Amino acid sequence: KAGVTQTPRYLIKTRGQQVTLSCSPISGHRSVSWYQQTPGQGLQFLFEYFSETQRNKGNFPGRFSGRQFSNSRSEMNVSTLELGDSALYLCASSSTGGRVLTSYEQYFGPGTRLTVT
Amino acid sequence: QKEVEQDPGPLSVPEGAIVSLNCTYSNSAFQYFMWYRQYSRKGPELLMYTYSSGNKEDGRFTAQVDKSSKYISLFIRDSQPSDSATYLCAMSESTGNQFYFGTGTSLTVIP
Repeated sequence: KAGVTQTPRYLIKTRGQQVTLSCSPISGHRSVSWYQQTPGQGLQFLFEYFSETQRNKGNFPGRFSGRQFSNSRSEMNVSTLELGDSALYLCASSSTGGRVLTSYEQYFGPGTRLTVT
Repeated sequence: QKEVEQDPGPLSVPEGAIVSLNCTYSNSAFQYFMWYRQYSRKGPELLMYTYSSGNKEDGRFTAQVDKSSKYISLFIRDSQPSDSATYLCAMSESTGNQFYFGTGTSLTVIP
């Protein structure tokens, strides 16, 4: 089974620009979560989508948004980029994200390294 | 106060040593506890998960959860150079899929 794929792997943008990152989950997985990883803060939860609906949202400003398509692929968008948005953006997929323990197994992609100059 | 606290290290041990990695947390509602391993330039990969308190063993890895102390541990026996990575703990409540992660502990196993 193919793993989680993220594109692009590396991105350099300028302050004020916007960026769109893409994530393709493991086939059959319906839940996609997005995280921001920085050395100081570690992994911070951005949001989770399940069956095209945002189910959970972390504590990030409205500049960070996402969506999920009917094939479970997800995109995340950051508008008006700031220097502090430089980070590794990871997406993770899981089968249902429900109460069954095994559904808590999240599989991460390799991430998109975003650098804002 | 962060939901999950984890000593960032770095931790350096000789090959064959027993490694102990720990996290503390503040939210008593956490019931699911996970450990991830992250190699450089890769995404995290799930190592082990446990529900509620107790121990779980998988090969050289043992996960322990002490909910009364809000403390979880990962032990690595007979550590190998290939275990060199950053180890992240993660936790979640009983519903939904929001995980709270520690900042990770960097481990180097010296041959």
